[in-house]
Amino acid sequence: DAMVIQNPRYQVTQFGKPVTLSCSQTLNHNVMYWYQQKSSQAPKLLFHYYDKDFNNEADTPDNFQSRRPNTSFCFLDIRSPGLGDAAMYLCATSMTRGNTDTQYFGPGTRLTVL
Amino acid sequence: GNSVTQMEGPVTLSEEAFLTINCTYTATGYPSLFWYVQYPGEGLQLLLKATKADDKGSNKGFEATYRKETTSFHLEKGSVQVSDSAVYFCALSPYNNNDMRFGAGTRLTVKP
Repeated sequence: DAMVIQNPRYQVTQFGKPVTLSCSQTLNHNVMYWYQQKSSQAPKLLFHYYDKDFNNEADTPDNFQSRRPNTSFCFLDIRSPGLGDAAMYLCATSMTRGNTDTQYFGPGTRLTVL
Repeated sequence: GNSVTQMEGPVTLSEEAFLTINCTYTATGYPSLFWYVQYPGEGLQLLLKATKADDKGSNKGFEATYRKETTSFHLEKGSVQVSDSAVYFCALSPYNNNDMRFGAGTRLTVKP
């Protein structure tokens, strides 16, 4: 089945220690998104890639970076995690940037910062 | 700006009860509207969507109608089941891109 895969499902890191979250997709979609979802809150868009073009949301902290080495993979790097970065991180994909397109979500990675 | 406001939960219903979860939006132009569902420990799944005014999205017994006059997209189901217990998110995509904006989510618990 075509899908969006996130690894690991649970990640524990220490305050200030860089961490990388991984997302892969078998849908061959052009667009990949990263969302942050804090407990009992709405998912918040951090950034997206349209093919190789990176687009950052205006209020995404500089501490968050992303890489997309090829169509299938996209990474979220948190350079110096703080306690406030503990959250569920969701990866999603869509075929185009059209507003009628469905976004397909992975299961998420729950990040704990100690 | 573009935003979504949805009914706060949690909502607890008995099996076979009628469900309504209210959702209203603010947007420029004609957004697309979505309902996503998140089961425990899983990612978001598309439940239904509507891309223009007066469209009705439906899936698995759930329905929602895009009402431009009231800027609403309320989710309804005539008879809920225990397996419908989940968190439901209303969302919109603005008229000119796919930067989705989500509501805060409504947790539904259905008891036997």
